[in-house]
Amino acid sequence: NAGVTQTPKFQVLKTGQSMTLQCAQDMNHEYMSWYRQDPGMGLRLIHYSVGAGITDQGEVPNGYNVSRSTTEDFPLRLLSAAPSQTSVYFCASRRGRNNEQFFGPGTRLTVL
Amino acid sequence: TQLLEQSPQFLSIQEGENLTVYCNSSSVFSSLQWYRQEPGEGPVLLVTVVTGGEVKKLKRLTFQFGDARKDSSLHITAAQPGDTGLYLCAGARGQAGTALIFGKGTTLSVSS
Repeated sequence: NAGVTQTPKFQVLKTGQSMTLQCAQDMNHEYMSWYRQDPGMGLRLIHYSVGAGITDQGEVPNGYNVSRSTTEDFPLRLLSAAPSQTSVYFCASRRGRNNEQFFGPGTRLTVL
Repeated sequence: TQLLEQSPQFLSIQEGENLTVYCNSSSVFSSLQWYRQEPGEGPVLLVTVVTGGEVKKLKRLTFQFGDARKDSSLHITAAQPGDTGLYLCAGARGQAGTALIFGKGTTLSVSS
């Protein structure tokens, strides 16, 4: 049982490049979410999903796309990277509304 | 506008002191959770409070959910250096409470 896994752990992009941050969980959780964490800003919700085929926008969705084709995987796509997207990205999953949310180890992204 | 306001943002105390961290909102939440995050890692759940007025204890930590389910507090008795970390409150919002929104967090430093 690996929990929530994220790849890559570190990434450097140039402005305008695109990339996909991978996230997978093996706990059969319905809910999955992507957050970004910046100094002094806590965790801000980017997109979330309540099940395969269902996604919704969070607090800061602009510049990011998601899809949920399976229960296990929830990739986050940066369409055209900007320096403002430099951040630490966390993927998370949980079984239900009031249940514990489990976080992945994070991806540290730098956009030059 | 931050949906969940945490205070104080920073707290630096001596070992053995007591402290209280607050999480306030103008919105009603179906549940509130408290997480603790250490540098380089994802947040880890401390507690979930669901019922207005609920009080939960976890060793030296006491959590309270406001009667109106709009606010919560975390009280630590006799703080220890091991309590050092970022404390985050999170509330379930969105359709059927599926989105988990975080406050900006309180950074606690306990020195011996």
